[in-house]
Amino acid sequence: EAQVTQNPRYLITVTGKKLTVTCSQNMNHEYMSWYRQDPGLGLRQIYYSMNVEVTDKGDVPEGYKVSRKEKRNFPLILESPSPNQTSLYFCASKQGTSGFVSYNEQFFGPGTRLTVL
Amino acid sequence: AQSVSQHNHHVILSEAASLELGCNYSYGGTVNLFWYVQYPGQHLQLLLKYFSGDPLVKGIKGFEAEFIKSKFSFNLRKPSVQWSDTAEYFCAVISLEAAGNKLTFGGGTRVLVKP
Repeated sequence: EAQVTQNPRYLITVTGKKLTVTCSQNMNHEYMSWYRQDPGLGLRQIYYSMNVEVTDKGDVPEGYKVSRKEKRNFPLILESPSPNQTSLYFCASKQGTSGFVSYNEQFFGPGTRLTVL
Repeated sequence: AQSVSQHNHHVILSEAASLELGCNYSYGGTVNLFWYVQYPGQHLQLLLKYFSGDPLVKGIKGFEAEFIKSKFSFNLRKPSVQWSDTAEYFCAVISLEAAGNKLTFGGGTRVLVKP
């Protein structure tokens, strides 16, 4: 089954304790992205990756890191989490980064609910 | 900066009522437009999308949306809602000229359908 998976689905941690949220897709997609969802703000992009070893900042990158060493994986790293990073995080992927038909539909993972105390 | 506005944050209606959710975006150029739905406790699912061609787009579960380029709008409609349509709905836009093919979301509209 074609899907985007995230782990863990739920995480409660404390300020300053490094954590990683994994994201994996089995659709051979080039593009992957991380979003955070906060009430009334919709989803805001944290980082994105156009392909392996190519990453760039989105709208709210502060406090986050990513890496893209393999096509299928795009982990989100919080080196020193703070309470304002308490949020619902979604990973997404899509087939390509140019063109029109069928290239720009993003597929979303199930979400990771993170609480930082 | 590009932005997407959804004017209603919360909508409450009864079953069989008609639904229309507004979405406006702020930038010109070539855009791809999407409506996503998020049922309680679930991840985002694509309802419908517009890339080009007929501006009236039909999606899953009886939803449709109309792209009006002159108004920078992409409103979502459903003639008769069901209790199972209770969810949060997000409009999203990609400007094909923008760096990184970024998908910009509106703030979402929570829809509650009363049985």
